[in-house]
Amino acid sequence: KQEVTQIPAALSVPEGENLVLNCSFTDSAIYNLQWFRQDPGKGLTSLLLIQSSQREQTSGRLNASLDKSSGRSTLYIAASQPGDSATYLCAAPDSSYKLIFGSGTRLLVRP
Amino acid sequence: GAVVSQHPSRVICKSGTSVKIECRSLDFQATTMFWYRQFPKQSLMLMATSNEGSKATYEQGVEKDKFLINHASLTLSTLTVTSAHPEDSSFYICSAFRWGQETQYFGPGTRLLVL
Repeated sequence: KQEVTQIPAALSVPEGENLVLNCSFTDSAIYNLQWFRQDPGKGLTSLLLIQSSQREQTSGRLNASLDKSSGRSTLYIAASQPGDSATYLCAAPDSSYKLIFGSGTRLLVRP
Repeated sequence: GAVVSQHPSRVICKSGTSVKIECRSLDFQATTMFWYRQFPKQSLMLMATSNEGSKATYEQGVEKDKFLINHASLTLSTLTVTSAHPEDSSFYICSAFRWGQETQYFGPGTRLLVL
């Protein structure tokens, strides 16, 4: 059974810092892994989708890596901005294509 | 990315009434859709898998008679919360699964408040 864990649960950083969010999963037989952003009271915004054959994906200041053998993914945010403040969710599929979500990392970027 | 819509975006109802939430896949046919629930400050929890033309598959602990799912067409799944109670107040999010890409595309969510 797939289990997804995210650390830290919360993070507060000053503007401009580079930061790393961590995600671990127990079942490494995944075909992809996704990172989402969720603003308070809103739905999900898909940030990055990494296929199992890829090791990383980049979009602007965001870079996500995937290491299936160790069951880990990281989301790197460069030069953080106050607008990056949100909850970041990692999700990995189980064997039946259901997505299992981590509990999220609540990020606050202070001006 | 694909577009998935949900209607309504917000609904307030009285305790004991039923509420129907629609999830539409606007630009691809989705034989499989998923329904999630999210309580405040918690992550998304899968409620059920909606399969076009067949019965939904519910996750453990989710009452199928309370959360009725109908997937009558390749672009529409509905979730009906029957005899809603205040504890059913939550954020309900659906997704449509795109075979070939093996990716779920999420709707914007429906916020339900039961008074």
